[in-house]
Amino acid sequence: QLVESGGGVVQPGRSLRLSCAASGFTFSNYGMHWVRQAPGKGLEWVALISYDENNEYYADSVKGRFTVSRDNSKNRLYLQMNSLRTDDTAVYYCAKDWEVGAAGGYFDYWGQGTLVTVSS
Amino acid sequence: DIQMTQSPSTLSAFVGDRVTITCRASQSISSWLAWYQQKPGKAPELLIYRASYLESGVPSRFSGSGSGTEFTLTISGLQVDDFATYYCQQYNSYRRTFGQGTKVEIK
Repeated sequence: QLVESGGGVVQPGRSLRLSCAASGFTFSNYGMHWVRQAPGKGLEWVALISYDENNEYYADSVKGRFTVSRDNSKNRLYLQMNSLRTDDTAVYYCAKDWEVGAAGGYFDYWGQGTLVTVSS
Repeated sequence: DIQMTQSPSTLSAFVGDRVTITCRASQSISSWLAWYQQKPGKAPELLIYRASYLESGVPSRFSGSGSGTEFTLTISGLQVDDFATYYCQQYNSYRRTFGQGTKVEIK
């Protein structure tokens, strides 16, 4: 199970940190992703962190502003979002990679999402 | 980044129809393609992985095919529960990309 939290309303230029609590699987074995969906729009992949925290990948739209991290001792995934813009408004989902270790797979489990609204 | 293009964007069909959604990749992704179903207000759910492998628990009326750059999702005998939006996703690259989605509506 994946449960996101931390969403809310924030002003442009401010920061917000999302959290995703994982349970029911060995969290430290799997890469984890963030995916977002703007209102009425499609899915956009945001970021990936490897199982061992050694590798991170980002979409161009968030690179340099967002940072993905994880705490394997707490089974938690995070997304630090800085310099937020109005076009970052979206539901943010965390998703588990299917593939053990390599994080080269599809997404077999998703959280329910948390809404981030960037507005003045 | 690998671009994924789905067609059509919207599809109107009757219950019982056979429908096909197409997904094209901007470069070869072998068979590293997944299909997801999303209903309003819900998270996406995995239907098919590796282009043609049905996820456990997914009805057999769903099928996928293709490799390289061209892929299809077919629903044989559309049910009321199937009216939703469908997304393809490539996982050939660490930087994943999704198609823009196909909304299947009741005719």
